[in-house]
Amino acid sequence: GAVVSQHPSWVICKSGTSVKIECRSLDFQATTMFWYRQFPKQSLMLMATSNEGSKATYEQGVEKDKFLINHASLTLSTLTVTSAHPEDSSFYICSARDYRGNIQYFGAGTRLSVL
Amino acid sequence: SQELEQSPQSLIVQEGKNLTINCTSSKTLYGLYWYKQKYGEGLIFLMMLQKGGEEKSHEKITAKLDEKKQQSSLHITASQPSHAGIYLCGALRGSNDMRFGAGTRLTVKP
Repeated sequence: GAVVSQHPSWVICKSGTSVKIECRSLDFQATTMFWYRQFPKQSLMLMATSNEGSKATYEQGVEKDKFLINHASLTLSTLTVTSAHPEDSSFYICSARDYRGNIQYFGAGTRLSVL
Repeated sequence: SQELEQSPQSLIVQEGKNLTINCTSSKTLYGLYWYKQKYGEGLIFLMMLQKGGEEKSHEKITAKLDEKKQQSSLHITASQPSHAGIYLCGALRGSNDMRFGAGTRLTVKP
């Protein structure tokens, strides 16, 4: 099946710094990618929908200035957690839909720990 | 509140036993997806169901979508330790983003 690559898989940073997470669709073009956040033992919560060449659409309660999304090409979306704080520590997962089969594939996730 | 209700929340079975996980929606589903997640990892796509009454199988896992397209079940036959993980059902909201149930944590005892 189609592959979505997410990098890095794990990052530790100091409070106040910014962290960038990349999400790539490896063998298909993705005009739309999605960013999710997952807390321990909970399900995935949609944060935002990333649209190639336009602004991302954020879910209610998600700060767009805190979580910057850029979707500059049909195969790459990035999520930047700006001025990270310990409460931003979480597991972030991206996904992309392959419209050829209407299946949404997921990256392996990024575990962010903010000290 | 969850748009998709999954049951049970957790399940512990002996290796070799069959099991069923359910996913229910109060609204008609346009597409129902089943994924498996191991702790701290991404989601692995299992199956997609779109038509009422549809049933798909892959190895020892069978998924069904009822005729009304509001309930789906995932059945594992002769479970193995490799089946352990978190099973999530997901549904498309409108035509775009996917929402998930709370997940079912499956433990298979050798």
